Amino acid sequence: SQQGEEDPQALSIQEGENATMNCSYKTSINNLQWYRQNSGRGLVHLILIRSNEREKHSGRLRVTLDTSKKSSSLLITASRAADTASYFCATDERGNNRLAFGKGNQVVVIP
Amino acid sequence: GAGVSQSPSNKVTEKGKDVELRCDPISGHTALYWYRQSLGQGLEFLIYFQGNSAPDKSGLPSDRFSAERTGGSVSTLTIQRTQQEDSAVYLCASSPGQGRTQYFGPGTRLLVL
Repeated sequence: SQQGEEDPQALSIQEGENATMNCSYKTSINNLQWYRQNSGRGLVHLILIRSNEREKHSGRLRVTLDTSKKSSSLLITASRAADTASYFCATDERGNNRLAFGKGNQVVVIP
Repeated sequence: GAGVSQSPSNKVTEKGKDVELRCDPISGHTALYWYRQSLGQGLEFLIYFQGNSAPDKSGLPSDRFSAERTGGSVSTLTIQRTQQEDSAVYLCASSPGQGRTQYFGPGTRLLVL
């Protein structure tokens, strides 16, 4: 199955700045999800946006979805050192049984 | 409530040995997934269980890999005759249903010497 791909692959920012990362996909989806992973262990779900939604907020997170361009963005506002992690997008593709994960985006927030 | 748990946390084995990895999903979650993640890489889907339906095994990389889910709850991933390229973190996730949020366990880090 085709996977979401995040862009840029690695991002280094100063604490307090905003971090934006993008995800593109190739198929029709039911929803798109963003996850965070610290230290190469389990992933933590951040936010889910349905295919009929265009924008969603959760705390300092803002997710947009453009189904015409098959892309999504994740914005982390006022970043903190604790936001340092890998961020993955995952698409729930129509007709598939599972989420298709991208390769991840490494974000480093410098105190 | 309790999250997804996996055991062991770490496993070191010799090439050619068999290993069993265990996953305890969140109670009541009908969907269970196994993924593999090599160093610095994304998640590679392995297998998916949904209720009493036949599992989706399309991601298993070879016939050395198998998994079962007993009683719709605990799952075991078995790797026979391990190879060095099997070294990775094996992640389990459960979900209330297909396409819903997945809740991940901490993973099992497997090292095949």
